[in-house]
This record gives sequence, structure tokens and C-alpha cells, in this order.
Amino acid sequence: QVQLQESGPGLVKPSQTLSLTCTVSGGSISSGSYYWNWIRQPAGKGLEWIGRIYTSGSTNYNPSLKSRVTISIDTSKNQFSLKVNSVTAADTAVYHCARVILGTFWFDPWGQGTPVTVSA
Amino acid sequence: QSALTQPHSVSGSPGQSISISCTGTSSDVGGYNYVSWYQQHPGKAPKLMIYDVTKRPSGVPDRFSGSKSGNTASLIISGLQAEDEADYYCCAYAGTYTYFFGTGTKVTVL
Repeated sequence: QVQLQESGPGLVKPSQTLSLTCTVSGGSISSGSYYWNWIRQPAGKGLEWIGRIYTSGSTNYNPSLKSRVTISIDTSKNQFSLKVNSVTAADTAVYHCARVILGTFWFDPWGQGTPVTVSA
Repeated sequence: QSALTQPHSVSGSPGQSISISCTGTSSDVGGYNYVSWYQQHPGKAPKLMIYDVTKRPSGVPDRFSGSKSGNTASLIISGLQAEDEADYYCCAYAGTYTYFFGTGTKVTVL
């Protein structure tokens, strides 16, 4: 059974870069046809889809975040990563990673999420 | 482009049925039959409960069901149980590789 686990710094200073990693266990990140996604959840608010990377490395991003976001994949480590540049307090949230099977449109499974606070 | 609208909270007594609405536009909820629903208990990962509007993954109790009419999708929980108390989020594919989530609904079992 595939499991996802997010990791990274819990505190980032304004204007700096937020960097997170999602480690996939129980299966190979490069086997099968999957999209690997990042989704965030500001405190007390709803979920926001950030973007995704395909097994081949192609990416798609939420237009509202596209200019500041980069998602990459490292198949040798069975991980994919998120970078958000020029962060502000509005980027404070719990960040989740999740999988989508090619040809489907739902997220399963999800990681538990990692909280990130943007503050000086 | 904005979040889908859900009621902030819904409550019911054990055994009752409740419905959670998810309102979008013709570009997302109304445009595709790709609405999914997620249950999230505090501090836990969201769990897929419904996909493709009406389909239920294996292991999800059959008291959970989904439907859609126009630009509004609904999650129905029949025979409400204590363990159903959680936050619920809808999600809709909006084309061009984009997804919108709902604002979230807190379900309280009285």
C-alpha cells in the first residue's frame, strides 16, 4: 500500500523560498502512470491545489501560483519536491502531497501534511 | 477562479441523514463528472470518500453517497454515526489541468 510523507522546515522567513519533500513508500514513484500533487490548507480555510508532476517530469501548476512554484521529482530517492519562491504570510498553511492515477481525477492517497509558517 | 462553496457546518443526530452541498460553476462542477469528496479528521490525512460524483471506493461504507445537479454536487450521509464527525471537502476538476476544492464543511453528530 502506497504511503506519502511530507517533510521540510516548519518556519520560513518572508521573501525566502519554501522547500518541501514528499517521500513515497510502498511502491516506486516511477512505476505506473501517476501524477504527484501538492495541495495546501491555510489554517481555518479550505484546500488549494498547488500543482502536479507526472512520472515523466512534466508539470502543471495552479495559475494563481504558477509564477512562484516549482515541482520536481527524484526517482532515485522515490521523492518529489515543492519550492515556493518569495513567500509571504499568505503562504502559511499545512502542505499535503497526494497521488492521482493517470486518467482519473481524484486524489488518493494523501500524506498527513506538514505545517509551514511564514514569519520573521 | 475560486473555491467551491460549501456550508460551513451541518449537524445531525445518530441515525439521521444529512446532505452537504458543493456549488461551483459550469466550468468545474457542472462541466465535468469529476467531483470527489474527502473526509478529514483533525490532524489526519484527507480520505477519499466519493469519486466521479457517485462512485464509492472499496472500504467506504455504503451510507456515503454522492450526486450532482447542474452546478451543485452533494454528499449524502445516511444513518449518521459518531465516527462520521469530521470535516468534508469537495473537489472538482476544472479543465486545463486545474482542480478546485470546496471551502469545507464541519459535520457534527449531536
